[in-house]
Amino acid sequence: GAGVSQSPSNKVTEKGKDVELRCDPISGHTALYWYRQSLGQGLEFLIYFQGNSAPDKSGLPSDRFSAERTGGSVSTLTIQRTQQEDSAVYLCASSPDYDNTQYFGPGTRLTVL
Amino acid sequence: DQQVKQNSPSLSVQEGRISILNCDYTNSMFDYFLWYKKYPAEGPTFLISISSIKDKNEDGRFTVFLNKSAKHLSLHIVPSQPGDSAVYFCAATTDSWGKFQFGAGTQVVVTP
Repeated sequence: GAGVSQSPSNKVTEKGKDVELRCDPISGHTALYWYRQSLGQGLEFLIYFQGNSAPDKSGLPSDRFSAERTGGSVSTLTIQRTQQEDSAVYLCASSPDYDNTQYFGPGTRLTVL
Repeated sequence: DQQVKQNSPSLSVQEGRISILNCDYTNSMFDYFLWYKKYPAEGPTFLISISSIKDKNEDGRFTVFLNKSAKHLSLHIVPSQPGDSAVYFCAATTDSWGKFQFGAGTQVVVTP
């Protein structure tokens, strides 16, 4: 079956612009996670959704970052007024409610010039 | 606050030998641990997991050991194969699902 998909796969933007990153989880998965991996760093937790609600937003690095999930499915991560330090690979993962295993998408590589 | 640590950024091992990857954690509330494998330009893929009620879980060539008193887990790959060359992430969580903490990863290179 289809796995987690993310779009775009690559995004180059200018400092100060807003970007939207999209995640399509595996159908039926109730939990959705956003992470980012900066160059040479491990995975950094950003936010977690259970259904459409986000019980844990503690990983969002600043108020320029926001995320939403609609219909218990697609999620969008928005970064406003991008900065160069936002450059990273943004990974989305989903998991079913009976399993701890997270299934990751291929990521979106964001480059802020 | 790095609650999950992988202190070896890289590991080189000969094909056919054992690869041992280590992971330490500081939060005694963690009750579920996972290992992920990541190839370049791909998302991480789940490899193996272990619950805190166990001290060992085996799946084919992969075995994970958990030492709760030492807050330490390890992943053994035997025998190592060239296709095992990847970055391996250790992860831990306190809930049945929820916030996961990941280590920084260990780059494994299996040489012929």
